[in-house]
Amino acid sequence: DGGITQSPKYLFRKEGQNVTLSCEQNLNHDAMYWYRQDPGQGLRLIYYSQIVNDFQKGDIAEGYSVSREKKESFPLTVTSAQKNPTAFYLCASIPSPPRGNQPQHFGDGTRLSIL
Amino acid sequence: SQQGEEDPQALSIQEGENATMNCSYKTSINNLQWYRQNSGRGLVHLILIRSNEREKHSGRLRVTLDTSKKSSSLLITASRAADTASYFCATEGGSEKLVFGKGMKLTVNP
Repeated sequence: DGGITQSPKYLFRKEGQNVTLSCEQNLNHDAMYWYRQDPGQGLRLIYYSQIVNDFQKGDIAEGYSVSREKKESFPLTVTSAQKNPTAFYLCASIPSPPRGNQPQHFGDGTRLSIL
Repeated sequence: SQQGEEDPQALSIQEGENATMNCSYKTSINNLQWYRQNSGRGLVHLILIRSNEREKHSGRLRVTLDTSKKSSSLLITASRAADTASYFCATEGGSEKLVFGKGMKLTVNP
């Protein structure tokens, strides 16, 4: 079955440490997105990529970095500069921008906590 | 920035009853989408309504859109315990980026 796989499901970060969250999709989708979800806050866009080797900052990119070397993979690194990283991180994708009117497909998320 | 705002923020009903959720937004849109999220899981797309549509149905779901009032409603008919989840509206303004509301928690009691 096609879908989006996020790993790990739970991740713990020590002070000053960078951690990388994995997002892999086998849907052959062009565009991929990273969101952060805090309790009662809804989803906020961190970074997105509409094509391989290109990505754009979202609303809350500070303290995060991404790469898009392969179509199926869009890893997110939470750097030590992100002072409040505890949150639920969600990865999503859509088939082919900029057609518009395409629903997003989501992975099951990674919950990141501070040790 | 959050554009959509769901109302009410929480709703508790009995199985078999209908549930209505409202969403208000601020700027012009290409489409509005509704998603469901079960606890600890990712979001699942429910329905997309384009800016030139007024009503759309999918199974037990009915969505309306009033662009003059910048609002949408999601109606779930004959609710089931399995409908217990958080529901989000999200707007797309043409850039393929979605702006989500804060969500509404629905509890359906058996």
